[in-house]
Amino acid sequence: QITLKESGPTLVKPTQTLTLTCTFSGFSLSTSGVGVGWIRQPPGKALEWLALIYWDADKRYSPSLTSRLSITKDNSKNQVVLTMTNMDPVDTATYYCAHRGPWLPRGTFNVWGQGTVVTVSS
Amino acid sequence: EIVLTQSPATLSVSPGERATLSCRASQSVSSNLAWYQQKPGQAPRLVIYGASTRASGIPARLSGSGSGTEFTLTITSLQSEDVAVYFCQQYNDWLGLTFGGGTKVEIK
Repeated sequence: QITLKESGPTLVKPTQTLTLTCTFSGFSLSTSGVGVGWIRQPPGKALEWLALIYWDADKRYSPSLTSRLSITKDNSKNQVVLTMTNMDPVDTATYYCAHRGPWLPRGTFNVWGQGTVVTVSS
Repeated sequence: EIVLTQSPATLSVSPGERATLSCRASQSVSSNLAWYQQKPGQAPRLVIYGASTRASGIPARLSGSGSGTEFTLTITSLQSEDVAVYFCQQYNDWLGLTFGGGTKVEIK
């Protein structure tokens, strides 16, 4: 059974850097074709894709946020870490990590974590 | 960036009736479109990918169609468990994955 869980601060101040960790089980990010992505959702709004990392360390970022994002993986810990710099109140959202199965098209996500709420406020 | 426009914003349907949700892309995405279902307080769930392929565990009453710029998600006989917000997502341009604004399906 594949599960993912996001963790990190619930409150960050403007201009600070946010670091979120996705800890997963039921799969390995060293298996060919597997990917893990980050997606966020501001309160009452639509989903926004942020970043994606694949088994071969290929990384993709949202073009509008690429200068602020970094995604890395630690296969030994079964974790993916997302950092976002220069946080602003508009970054307040629920942040999800999600799994991409190797049988699925690149860029689709079949299992999602429960999400973690991040509020940006001074 | 490819913009996805979903309509209507809210759809009220009687139990057992058909629900038809639309997703329009600002440029062709071929068949590289997925649909997700998000129930209140829950994470999204993959429903359809490749415009028309149902994901694992998705009931047959949910179906997807379309290609290019026009896509449809149809729920043939609405059940109470189908109440959710449905998002479309394109992955044709996977340098910039994008989601639509969502359609809320409710019981009339």
